[in-house]
Amino acid sequence: DQQVKQNSPSLSVQEGRISILNCDYTNSMFDYFLWYKKYPAEGPTFLISISSIKDKNEDGRFTVFLNKSAKHLSLHIVPSQPGDSAVYFCAASAPKGGGATNKLIFGTGTLLAVQP
Amino acid sequence: KAGVTQTPRYLIKTRGQQVTLSCSPISGHRSVSWYQQTPGQGLQFLFEYFSETQRNKGNFPGRFSGRQFSNSRSEMNVSTLELGDSALYLCASRGLAGRETQYFGPGTRLLVL
Repeated sequence: DQQVKQNSPSLSVQEGRISILNCDYTNSMFDYFLWYKKYPAEGPTFLISISSIKDKNEDGRFTVFLNKSAKHLSLHIVPSQPGDSAVYFCAASAPKGGGATNKLIFGTGTLLAVQP
Repeated sequence: KAGVTQTPRYLIKTRGQQVTLSCSPISGHRSVSWYQQTPGQGLQFLFEYFSETQRNKGNFPGRFSGRQFSNSRSEMNVSTLELGDSALYLCASRGLAGRETQYFGPGTRLLVL
């Protein structure tokens, strides 16, 4: 059962335009969401996160939007740059026993290609 | 601050052998988690350690085990290796002030022949 889904395996965008990566989840207990960027044979690099008490978080060119009622989040990259080309994973976590947990549930990833 | 380090970076083993992978978290981080990445299953949670105690475990067979030392360094062990254990094994560390982000190491690429 895939609790976190990224339905677009790939996305191609022109340099300077907006990239929008989407993620859906099914577990209503998830309360913390993260986006990671990953190159082959390397570990994921943290980009941005959002708590379920917010609906938007912004950090430079990256903005994450959370729609709890739709169980949907998205990552906007503006403007897109060729160096942004990588696989992007969304991840979610739920509290365990009243405390935080390290258990991240990852989506399957979206390969973003930014064309010069 | 130095990031998460993992050793070795690459490893080749044969079926039936056992392997031990090592992870050193970011200085001051006391929580370490392990993940497995394969083309078929994606990134999957293995286990989580804090203060030398396993706090959470994913759905992996008992051949997969781990431990954490008093200096927060962690090791994971896979016994009786199978071909399907070939994967990128990732370690992540986290501080514990609220819901802090996990930071990943570069991973250990394990190939089982």
